[in-house]
Amino acid sequence: GESVGLHLPTLSVQEGDNSIINCAYSNSASDYFIWYKQESGKGPQFIIDIRSNMDKRQGQRVTVLLNKTVKHLSLQIAATQPGDSAVYFCAEASGYSTLTFGKGTMLLVSP
Amino acid sequence: ETGVTQTPRHLVMGMTNKKSLKCEQHLGHNAMYWYKQSAKKPLELMFVYSLEERVENNSVPSRFSPECPNSSHLFLHLHTLQPEDSALYLCASSGTEGGRQFFGPGTRLTVL
Repeated sequence: GESVGLHLPTLSVQEGDNSIINCAYSNSASDYFIWYKQESGKGPQFIIDIRSNMDKRQGQRVTVLLNKTVKHLSLQIAATQPGDSAVYFCAEASGYSTLTFGKGTMLLVSP
Repeated sequence: ETGVTQTPRHLVMGMTNKKSLKCEQHLGHNAMYWYKQSAKKPLELMFVYSLEERVENNSVPSRFSPECPNSSHLFLHLHTLQPEDSALYLCASSGTEGGRQFFGPGTRLTVL
């Protein structure tokens, strides 16, 4: 049969709102996690990363939360702007393994 | 600018053509990667080079042939491609195998 492409989850927010993008990972041995942003026509761009010895890390307008108990990662964007509209990917790695990427979430910010 | 450049940015080729994609990193990294990104699919890792040696080849068809002449350059040679190979091909590099990767802008490939 014909294969069907994955439907990308979409989060729509208003400008100025806080956004939360979630990611579930499967490998309990993963010890490094990273979020990327990909705008249309561009390559993925690093946003923030976190190691498994931490459960929270903050950057400029972004916060990553890690819950190892339920293998869950989230990216919080404060005061979301139209320029934040993009696809956001989480990725995980264990030791020196290469990154394993998630499917991505599309964030749409309306003025 | 991430320090990783890719050329060409766009490529249209017929199924009988031979072409090459080029990637260059200016970050002093030791590992380089090729990914394929198709619409609405996760990034698919194709090849990994660490210290100029291929360390991973994820069951990629032989019509894709990578080459890493030195730690700064990575090529993907293409021949006899199929229309389903049309995608965005992304190059990335990292300091060592594993860890934070820096991506280039990608080459948008269309196979007619």
